[in-house]
Amino acid sequence: AAGVIQSPRHLIKEKRETATLKCYPIPRHDTVYWYQQGPGQDPQFLISFYEKMQSDKGSIPDRFSAQQFSDYHSELNMSSLELGDSALYFCASSIGQGYGYTFGSGTRLTVV
Amino acid sequence: GQSLEQPSEVTAVEGAIVQINCTYQTSGFYGLSWYQQHDGGAPTFLSYNALDGLEETGRFSSFLSRSDSYGYLLLQELQMKDSASYFCAVRSSNTGKLIFGQGTTLQVKP
Repeated sequence: AAGVIQSPRHLIKEKRETATLKCYPIPRHDTVYWYQQGPGQDPQFLISFYEKMQSDKGSIPDRFSAQQFSDYHSELNMSSLELGDSALYFCASSIGQGYGYTFGSGTRLTVV
Repeated sequence: GQSLEQPSEVTAVEGAIVQINCTYQTSGFYGLSWYQQHDGGAPTFLSYNALDGLEETGRFSSFLSRSDSYGYLLLQELQMKDSASYFCAVRSSNTGKLIFGQGTTLQVKP
């Protein structure tokens, strides 16, 4: 079965650089969620999109932006990276903002 | 504020039964989910309770009491592969946003 695809799997950036994380949801899933998980922490909700419109916003820094495209894939753009942005970034998808998310394998971002 | 409380660690032996409790305090409540996460891996959906009562899925069961703001995950016939972190998460709005607990690390010993 198709899963949520995230790219890249690993990313190393220097402080003040920019990063773009991509997420391809399961086919026919119209909702995408982004979460950030620091080491030993629980996932923190960043932002979500339903039918290509932003549906909810959490603790996402102003330096970050995201969008969902016409093919339902989503990109998280992160600028002016800080050491504290080092974390696992998960994308999840569902049908119609449903309760059973499927998470991708995540992108491990390391800022040096 | 919004918070979910669950034990930080639980240890059990193979074949045993373990219960992981979760209490929550959130501004919105649309249901309680449970996720399993192995080290460095993706959270995997286990179960969801929107209404009071018990939901059973194979070796895993989940319970919810909305009046007590309380739920639990019950794992039966524990296997070594069940060693992982388990998160309770409240669906806090109709947009599907989840607020996660801090996670419970389950260690299964032979």
